[in-house]
Amino acid sequence: AQSVTQLDSHVSVSEGTPVLLRCNYSSSYSPSLFWYVQHPNKGLQLLLKYTSAATLVKGINGFEAEFKKSETSFHLTKPSAHMSDAAEYFCVVTYEGGNKLTFGTGTQLKVEL
Amino acid sequence: DAGVTQSPTHLIKTRGQQVTLRCSPKSGHDTVSWYQQALGQGPQFIFQYYEEEERQRGNFPDRFSGHQFPNYSSELNVNALLLGDSALYLCASSLSSGRRLSSTDTQYFGPGTRLTVL
Repeated sequence: AQSVTQLDSHVSVSEGTPVLLRCNYSSSYSPSLFWYVQHPNKGLQLLLKYTSAATLVKGINGFEAEFKKSETSFHLTKPSAHMSDAAEYFCVVTYEGGNKLTFGTGTQLKVEL
Repeated sequence: DAGVTQSPTHLIKTRGQQVTLRCSPKSGHDTVSWYQQALGQGPQFIFQYYEEEERQRGNFPDRFSGHQFPNYSSELNVNALLLGDSALYLCASSLSSGRRLSSTDTQYFGPGTRLTVL
C-alpha cells in the first residue's frame, strides 16, 4: 500500500533561519508527490508537486523540495523562515494508475522571533 | 474565480442522526473527492466522483455515501452517525484527463465542514 512518513511531528525554527521538513515515501510504484500546507481554520493549499519531471521542484512562497529516489525522500525546504509560515504541513503521495491522495501525519511548523 | 466552496461551515448532530454536506467545485473542474480529517491527523480519502459516478473509494463503511450532480457539485451523506465521525470533512476538486486516472492531477481543497457528533 502507498504511504508517506513524516519524520517530525513538530519543528521549531527562528525567523530568518532555514526550514527543513522531512518526508519519506514507500517505493512500490512510481510516485507523484505533493506538499500541502494547512493554516488554522483554513483549507489545504498546494505548495508544490513532483510528477517525474525535474527532481528539484520549486513551489510557492519560496519553498522547494527535492525528489531523491535512492533515499525514497521528498524533503521540503525554505532558505529563510517567515512568521507567516507557521502552519501544519502535509506530505502527500499518489501512484501511477490512481489519484487518491494519501497523506502523512503532518508536521507542525512553529516560527519564533 | 471562485475556488472550492463547502457548506455548512459547522454542524452539530447527535448519534444515530444523518447528515448531508455539500461541495461546489472550482470553476472548470469535473471531479470531486471527499476526505475526512480527524483532530490531529492527516486527511483520509473517502471517495471520488466523476461523471456522476463513484470512481474510487477508500476504507469507509457504507454509511458514507455520496452523489455528484450534472453541474459537478457533490454531496456527502453519512447515516447512523457515530461519535467517531466527528471530524473536518474536506472536499477537493480537480480536472480529470478523461476517464483515465492520473496521479498527477492537482486537487484543490475547500475550507471544510466541521462536524461534531454528540
